Amino acid sequence: GAGVSQSPSNKVTEKGKDVELRCDPISGHTALYWYRQRLGQGLEFLIYFQGNSAPDKSGLPSDRFSAERTGESVSTLTIQRTQQEDSAVYLCASSLHGSAGEAFFGQGTRLTVV
Amino acid sequence: GDSVTQMEGPVTLSEEAFLTINCTYTATGYPSLFWYVQYPGEGLQLLLKATKADDKGSNKGFEATYRKETTSFHLEKGSVQVSDSAVYFCALSEGDSSYKLIFGSGTRLLVRP
Repeated sequence: GAGVSQSPSNKVTEKGKDVELRCDPISGHTALYWYRQRLGQGLEFLIYFQGNSAPDKSGLPSDRFSAERTGESVSTLTIQRTQQEDSAVYLCASSLHGSAGEAFFGQGTRLTVV
Repeated sequence: GDSVTQMEGPVTLSEEAFLTINCTYTATGYPSLFWYVQYPGEGLQLLLKATKADDKGSNKGFEATYRKETTSFHLEKGSVQVSDSAVYFCALSEGDSSYKLIFGSGTRLLVRP
């Protein structure tokens, strides 16, 4: 596609339920990033994938969070047993190489946990 | 750890006014510095960047100069337009982790006709 695509654009879920967020990067981009933006705060780095290398998961806030990426294509971010503090906009980005300054961002998934 | 601090918004200006959005950073090494912009309903976009001290990044009439002595990267524009209304984010990336961006909290700019 022309840009980074994320789905769903909005998700409301009940506390304790699991959610799965999807990211379709720009075709050919080897690097993929997930960030979280809580209300009134800056973006927080969550995880980075680069080709077939082991991902950098250092930003994942707890073991309830996990992410997968198949090759150089789609990525899914899964949040298990959601909590109210998980409410945020989750942004995905991709870049041709592993330079964050060259990344293109999607419009994000707004997650609301009620 | 590394961090970015930018002025709180919203900033409200009249069209053709001068814009400054302050950004300062804390970093242990020699970071690259960025300004991103998020227009209403759109994804985050890179506006400009600077990779070393005294570099000036510029794009669409916006400028920012990498000031190592004051650890700052203030965003400026001489004459804003209504179409510049957006949220602006200052960010840095460290040399060894150039894939990881550290963002400020964002500054909303509203330009009135």
